[in-house]
Amino acid sequence: SQTIHQWPATLVQPVGSPLSLECTVEGTSNPNLYWYRQAAGRGLQLLFYSVGIGQISSEVPQNLSASRPQDRQFILSSKKLLLSDSGFYLCAWGANYGYTFGSGTRLTVV
Amino acid sequence: EDQVTQSPEALRLQEGESSSLNCSYTVSGLRGLFWYRQDPGKGPEFLFTLYSAGEEKEKERLKATLTKKESFLHITAPKPEDSATYLCAVLRGSQGNLIFGKGTKLSVKP
Repeated sequence: SQTIHQWPATLVQPVGSPLSLECTVEGTSNPNLYWYRQAAGRGLQLLFYSVGIGQISSEVPQNLSASRPQDRQFILSSKKLLLSDSGFYLCAWGANYGYTFGSGTRLTVV
Repeated sequence: EDQVTQSPEALRLQEGESSSLNCSYTVSGLRGLFWYRQDPGKGPEFLFTLYSAGEEKEKERLKATLTKKESFLHITAPKPEDSATYLCAVLRGSQGNLIFGKGTKLSVKP
């Protein structure tokens, strides 16, 4: 069966510090991978998606970037965090029949 | 522009009091409509996928239906453990990106 791992679960970072969130998938090959952000009072917002190694598409301009160095690894990064980057970050892998989400990372920028 | 709107934003029910949640959507070429359940601090949990108008799916006390412009999630005789935020999403594009509504927060009191 397919599983998705996401870490860390919570993170408190100062403004201007770098960020690296990691997501790995097991039990499937060449998955479509997604990073979403969920802010208070807003729906899940798609940030990046990837259909293969090194292939990244960005949905919205922002202070974040994504990379896919291996088939089942997806990384979300920032060089300098802003207060507005606070939120709940979710990784997902998906197919037309459904998405499977990770457990999420609660990021608080202070 | 593709859009998903959920109503009501919040719903408070007594245990056993049946009701429905609404998800209206505007999307060019619907490829699928998804319902998820999300508990506080956790990633969304997949419930249903609906692909065409007239389709219905059931799981325990939940039943999802789909028309050409909206979907309903019917909750029959809810229990306190059904309390959660229910998210609706539509699948668009060749890459399979999901667009989410803001969700309906359901509270079921004993």
